[in-house]
Amino acid sequence: DAGVIQSPRHEVTEMGQEVTLRCKPISGHNSLFWYRQTMMRGLELLIYFNNNVPIDDSGMPEDRFSAKMPNASFSTLKIQPSEPRDSAVYFCASSTGGSGELFFGEGSRLTVL
Amino acid sequence: GESVGLHLPTLSVQEGDNSIINCAYSNSASDYFIWYKQESGKGPQFIIDIRSNMDKRQGQRVTVLLNKTVKHLSLQIAATQPGDSAVYFCAEKLGGGADGLTFGKGTHLIIQP
Repeated sequence: DAGVIQSPRHEVTEMGQEVTLRCKPISGHNSLFWYRQTMMRGLELLIYFNNNVPIDDSGMPEDRFSAKMPNASFSTLKIQPSEPRDSAVYFCASSTGGSGELFFGEGSRLTVL
Repeated sequence: GESVGLHLPTLSVQEGDNSIINCAYSNSASDYFIWYKQESGKGPQFIIDIRSNMDKRQGQRVTVLLNKTVKHLSLQIAATQPGDSAVYFCAEKLGGGADGLTFGKGTHLIIQP
């Protein structure tokens, strides 16, 4: 099992640029979650999908953030325009939905200059 | 609002000793709790979980205790090893279904040789 796959692992960009983070969940998992991790705020749930449908996006900080899940094997988190305060590690996780356990990817470390 | 919090940000123990990491939660409606381990540069990894109808669950070298009366959760690691050095998070799930987990801030466990 390849696990949850995220790309890129590292991204350095300048303020105002568009950033797209990608995630491939574990095959057969029908729930997908995007988390953001910072030293100050810890792990925060941004949005989650169930069967490709966004269920709760209340954690998305601003309209600059958007997430899509066009099919069961792919999701994107986009930030446009990016700001320095968006610098964080962004994690994608997936689960079977029936259990509570989330399987996390290795994360995408974003630095906005 | 409801939150999951950890008592200590850093815990230092001698190799071979037992470690106890504590966590307080405030929402009595939470019915599922998980402990995750996060090593540097990696995503959180599942350690052990417990449902609210239990007060103790054991795994390999780890035990989770749940005290619903005082809304307290603990993770006990027996005979700690250098590989146990990591940040440990408790997380709670509010209600059933495929909802996301709410994470505490984390405790950094340091193993002294």
